[in-house]
Amino acid sequence: NAGVTQTPKFQVLKTGQSMTLQCAQDMNHNSMYWYRQDPGMGLRLIYYSASEGTTDKGEVPNGYNVSRLNKREFSLRLESAAPSQTSVYFCASSQKPPGQEEAFFGQGTRLTVV
Amino acid sequence: QKEVEQDPGPLSVPEGAIVSLNCTYSNSAFQYFMWYRQYSRKGPELLMYTYSSGNKEDGRFTAQVDKSSKYISLFIRDSQPSDSATYLCAMKILTGGGNKLTFGTGTQLKVEL
Repeated sequence: NAGVTQTPKFQVLKTGQSMTLQCAQDMNHNSMYWYRQDPGMGLRLIYYSASEGTTDKGEVPNGYNVSRLNKREFSLRLESAAPSQTSVYFCASSQKPPGQEEAFFGQGTRLTVV
Repeated sequence: QKEVEQDPGPLSVPEGAIVSLNCTYSNSAFQYFMWYRQYSRKGPELLMYTYSSGNKEDGRFTAQVDKSSKYISLFIRDSQPSDSATYLCAMKILTGGGNKLTFGTGTQLKVEL
């Protein structure tokens, strides 16, 4: 059971390039999330998807787009990367109550924009 | 002001010490309180979870919530070098849009031999 799988693990982009971060979960969870983690800022929510077919903005959505491709997959796209988007990105999934309360996280994608 | 405040540390303690990690919050709508542990270059993993005010114990770990003071704590007894990690508090309210978590910045803990 793999849990939450993110690809790639590392990426270096030039300013203005685009890329898509992939996330897949095999726990049949309804909800999926994208966070970024920066020193001194903690984990900040970029976008989330409460269920297949729905997406909503989180705390820091500017410069990002997401797609909930199906129940398993939730991708994050940077259309025109900026140095301010250098960060570690985490995907997570969870099940709404009364099921599991826990959010399971992937291993992260370390993105550097130069 | 952030909704959740957490001292980033680093906190360094000798093996066997009792560790106290704390968070304060400003949003009284938070209903569920969690502690996550994050090892270096890994994703966070859930350590403790509690709904209500009071204490919840799990082995060497005790989570404490005081809703009246908007203050939560995590105590680690008999700390071990393997406890060295960053500890993040997290909280959530139920909205129509899913179980969104609000995290503290994390406290870096080092337990030394």
